[in-house]
Amino acid sequence: ETGVTQSPTHLIKTRGQQVTLRCSSQSGHNTVSWYQQALGQGPQFIFQYYREEENGRGNFPPRFSGLQFPNYSSELNVNALELDDSALYLCASSLIGYLFGAGTRLSVL
Amino acid sequence: AQTVTQSQPEMSVQEAETVTLSCTYDTSESDYYLFWYKQPPSRQMILVIRQEAYKQQNATENRFSVNFQKAAKSFSLKISDSQLGDAAMYFCAYRSGSGNTPLVFGKGTRLSVIA
Repeated sequence: ETGVTQSPTHLIKTRGQQVTLRCSSQSGHNTVSWYQQALGQGPQFIFQYYREEENGRGNFPPRFSGLQFPNYSSELNVNALELDDSALYLCASSLIGYLFGAGTRLSVL
Repeated sequence: AQTVTQSQPEMSVQEAETVTLSCTYDTSESDYYLFWYKQPPSRQMILVIRQEAYKQQNATENRFSVNFQKAAKSFSLKISDSQLGDAAMYFCAYRSGSGNTPLVFGKGTRLSVIA
């Protein structure tokens, strides 16, 4: 198993900026999901990609977007950053069970 | 929509003792999966144990076991012989059995282990 790798581990941005977070999924896992975990809370589902197409979305605005690539990597893009976007962003790849990365801690100042 | 509730924000246990973390969920589905995840300070979400709703037998993984009460929609985690390394946030999660669906998490329980 190669596991799930996320980059960067930490990121600081200012309000209004754009950010791209990256995830390298477990080989063979054709589904990738992104979650936002605010401090002291459980992870909240952002969206999910299956075979490079979005096939599920949580209650997040369109400025949260993503991509999945044929090599099992994926991206989460957030435009027009707001202070409330400060959180831990988790990527999970799945075949049946879910395998999580260690997350990217995003701070918006 | 499905919801997961963890009513214990914090719990503590003496080393070598047993502790039970509570979880209830709400769903109208009959086919689903339930999970307990551990999140240590390293932030990586680690799968502790998984239960399929169609299985009556409670899942067990070494020192970790669950009490799955389907009618009551309850899914508690029992940790036996607690170790210092068990200290972490524990999240209960639900996933529908139909289609490629995401996890729904509770708010978590912070477990402290006292030496």
